[in-house]
Amino acid sequence: EVHLKDSGGGLVQSGGSLRLSCTASGFNFNTYWMSWVRQAPGKGLEWVANIKGDGSEKSYVDSVKGRFTISRDNAKNSLYLQLDNLRAEDSAVYYCARDWGEQLKVFDYWGQGTQVTVSS
Amino acid sequence: DMQMTQSPSTLSASVGDRVTITCRASQNIYSWLAWYQHKPGKAPKLLIYKASSLQSGVPSRFSGSESGTEFTLTISSLQPDDSATYYCLQYYPIYRTFGQGTKVEI
Repeated sequence: EVHLKDSGGGLVQSGGSLRLSCTASGFNFNTYWMSWVRQAPGKGLEWVANIKGDGSEKSYVDSVKGRFTISRDNAKNSLYLQLDNLRAEDSAVYYCARDWGEQLKVFDYWGQGTQVTVSS
Repeated sequence: DMQMTQSPSTLSASVGDRVTITCRASQNIYSWLAWYQHKPGKAPKLLIYKASSLQSGVPSRFSGSESGTEFTLTISSLQPDDSATYYCLQYYPIYRTFGQGTKVEI
């Protein structure tokens, strides 16, 4: 059974940093693209970043480029998101998700999310 | 930029009702649309992909359809467990974007 567990969220001041983690099980982690998706309070879902199975390709939404870094450790079946220079508008529940599909990809499995709150 | 317009924002219906939710894309997305069910505190669940393909394990009362740039999620007979927020996702260009969500109340 595929399982994703997010962790690492918390309360941080504006300009601060956090590192989110996602531990995967139940599938060949190193063969899948993985993503982070967030949901700000009262808002909809927003894709944040993704990374190829071998870590060689990464993409980010424009609003986080230069501030967030996605990475993975396939030996530990783990996905990470380093959040630097945080802003109030980065406050959200962050979900890790598995990318799935032969051509274009949807998110087929998600974690339960980890809350990030940025205080100004 | 690609925009997804989802409607309605909230929906109240009774058990057994047929319910439809619509997403309209601002550009042609060639059937690259998915639907998700999201309950508070839970992981979002993939229901439909490629506009009308039912994800494995999803009840058959859920279905998806398309007409041009308009996409519809239908719940044929609403059940108590279907109370949730539903989102569409377009995944045609590089940046995948979600609709604003539809809260379904029973």
